[in-house]
Amino acid sequence: AQSVTQLGSHVSVSEGALVLLRCNYSSSVPPYLFWYVQYPNQGLQLLLKYTSAATLVKGINGFEAEFKKSETSFHLTKPSAHMSDAAEYFCAVRLLGTDKLIFGTGTRLQVFP
Amino acid sequence: NAGVTQTPKFRILKIGQSMTLQCTQDMNHNYMYWYRQDPGMGLKLIYYSVGAGITDKGEVPNGYNVSRSTTEDFPLRLELAAPSQTSVYFCAGGQTETTGELFFGEGSRLTVL
Repeated sequence: AQSVTQLGSHVSVSEGALVLLRCNYSSSVPPYLFWYVQYPNQGLQLLLKYTSAATLVKGINGFEAEFKKSETSFHLTKPSAHMSDAAEYFCAVRLLGTDKLIFGTGTRLQVFP
Repeated sequence: NAGVTQTPKFRILKIGQSMTLQCTQDMNHNYMYWYRQDPGMGLKLIYYSVGAGITDKGEVPNGYNVSRSTTEDFPLRLELAAPSQTSVYFCAGGQTETTGELFFGEGSRLTVL
């Protein structure tokens, strides 16, 4: 079944350090891929999405992700972490031709001063 | 626009009771979804709808029912509450067939004792 795997349920970085959150998908056909962010006691918000256009996708708040078909990956990065980036991040996939959006198990990002 | 609105925000149920989680949206989304979120498990799709009068099962539909009589409303019903249904429930809407982006409500925290 179509799915996404997020490696690492918790990631901790220092303020100003690189943020790397990993996501791998399982599909023989490149799907639509998404990163969502959830701040405490809130719903999810879209950070960025890949829909078969450019492989390097830029999102809000300085985040970006690169679609790598050979590695079936869609990792999320940010060059310099900010305290306000502390949140839970979810990778999601929508297989072309379906209407379901399937989420990974999430990665909680902590940012230390 | 209010976006996607869920009520109630909090509810405690006794085993065997029934209740309906309400979800309404004013963004004219065709697609609407119900997810449950459990710690370490990410979001699991319960039911979804691609338009008024059309609903379909997601990953974890057992114990739940939905209806979609209007474009705006997508209520989720629990008929016989069980402790396993203790969770945070999120309703979301979007134009999934074009962008894949979902807009989430703020969530409903349900506890079954």
